[in-house]
Amino acid sequence: DAGVIQSPRHEVTEMGQEVTLRCKPISGHNSFFWYRQTMMRGLELLIYFNNNVPIDDSGMPEDRFSAKMPNASFSTLKIQPSEPRDSAVYFCASSARREEADTQYFGPGTRLTVL
Amino acid sequence: GESVGLHLPTLSVQEGDNSIINCAYSNSASDYFIWYKQESGKGPQFIIDIRSNMDKRQGQRVTVLLNKTVKHLSLQIAATQPGDSAVYFCAESPYNTDKLIFGTGTRLQVFP
Repeated sequence: DAGVIQSPRHEVTEMGQEVTLRCKPISGHNSFFWYRQTMMRGLELLIYFNNNVPIDDSGMPEDRFSAKMPNASFSTLKIQPSEPRDSAVYFCASSARREEADTQYFGPGTRLTVL
Repeated sequence: GESVGLHLPTLSVQEGDNSIINCAYSNSASDYFIWYKQESGKGPQFIIDIRSNMDKRQGQRVTVLLNKTVKHLSLQIAATQPGDSAVYFCAESPYNTDKLIFGTGTRLQVFP
């Protein structure tokens, strides 16, 4: 099992550019999460999906952020336009939710730097 | 300029000693709790979890204790090794959600 896969691992871009982060969850998992980690705010949940449907996006900072999950094996997090304050490490995670919350397995993260 | 970040409490232990990392959670309705280990440059790695119908759970060299009365969670690591050096996060999941709410973390440093 390859685990959760994220790409790219590092992204450097200029303010105003569009950034797309990608994630492949663990096969068979039906809950999916996007997180952001910064020194200032720690690890924050941005959005999560159950069976590809967004359930809670209350952590998404603003309209510049959007997340999609077109199928069970792929998700994107897009920032348009990007700003320097978006610089952070972005993680995705997945879990095999049955009747209740279950262990989330994290990817290695994408380190985003917006200049 | 220098940015001000979260102050991570640090626990320093000698190799071979036992470590205890504590965590206070906020929501009395949380029913699932989990500990993660994060090494530099990596994603959080699952260590052990516990549900609210239990007060203790043991794994390999690790034990999690849950005290719902005072909303306190602890992680005990037996015979701490240099490879245990990392930041440890507790997380809670409120009842009937899949969300995990993470604590600020504790840095564990193991000295030979």
